[in-house]
Amino acid sequence: EPEVTQTPSHQVTQMGQEVILRCVPISNHLYFYWYRQILGQKVEFLVSFYNNEISEKSEIFDDQFSVERPDGSNFTLKIRSTKLEDSAMYFCASRGQGVQPQHFGDGTRLSIL
Amino acid sequence: DAKTTQPPSMDCAEGRAANLPCNHSTISGNEYVYWYRQIHSQGPQYIIHGLKNNETNEMASLIITEDRKSSTLILPHATLRDTAVYYCIVSPGYNQGGKLIFGQGTELSVKP
Repeated sequence: EPEVTQTPSHQVTQMGQEVILRCVPISNHLYFYWYRQILGQKVEFLVSFYNNEISEKSEIFDDQFSVERPDGSNFTLKIRSTKLEDSAMYFCASRGQGVQPQHFGDGTRLSIL
Repeated sequence: DAKTTQPPSMDCAEGRAANLPCNHSTISGNEYVYWYRQIHSQGPQYIIHGLKNNETNEMASLIITEDRKSSTLILPHATLRDTAVYYCIVSPGYNQGGKLIFGQGTELSVKP
């Protein structure tokens, strides 16, 4: 069964550094998402992406964050000038056309020191 | 905020059916009911979704009341591996964004 893959599984970064989290969505999917989950808290929506542009973003997704689909397979989340509070699990999800469910990757654990 | 209400926790005996309730009294006509689960800190796993008819797949059954204000996820023969947090989410099916708003979910513990 096709799946969403995320790399790396764990990323440790110094505060203030830039980090790029990578996702390979399911191949025929058209809608892409990033979510995050701070330890012990709810899964939170960050951004949705369709047709090479952001379709919706949350208040969390400020100028520090950006997303990109650099080629036909990857979907990336960039965090500039990371802060301690950016430490969380980041999940990528994708879905197909129509009434299709989102499928999630297993996440990247981001630790900011 | 999440548009659903779920009990924070439930227990179920291994081999028995697990019935997880969800209230979504403000659901709109174009919103579907989705169920996901999360095991430890893994990514949420899709289980099932429906609009108004009852649905069944290899994982579970979804029973939606006629007024669509509540639903029940049924795991027919729960195993220890079904121990997880279960999320009931309402979301438009065709919406271009289609973000999922997660609540706290129900923590299901399946016991031997």
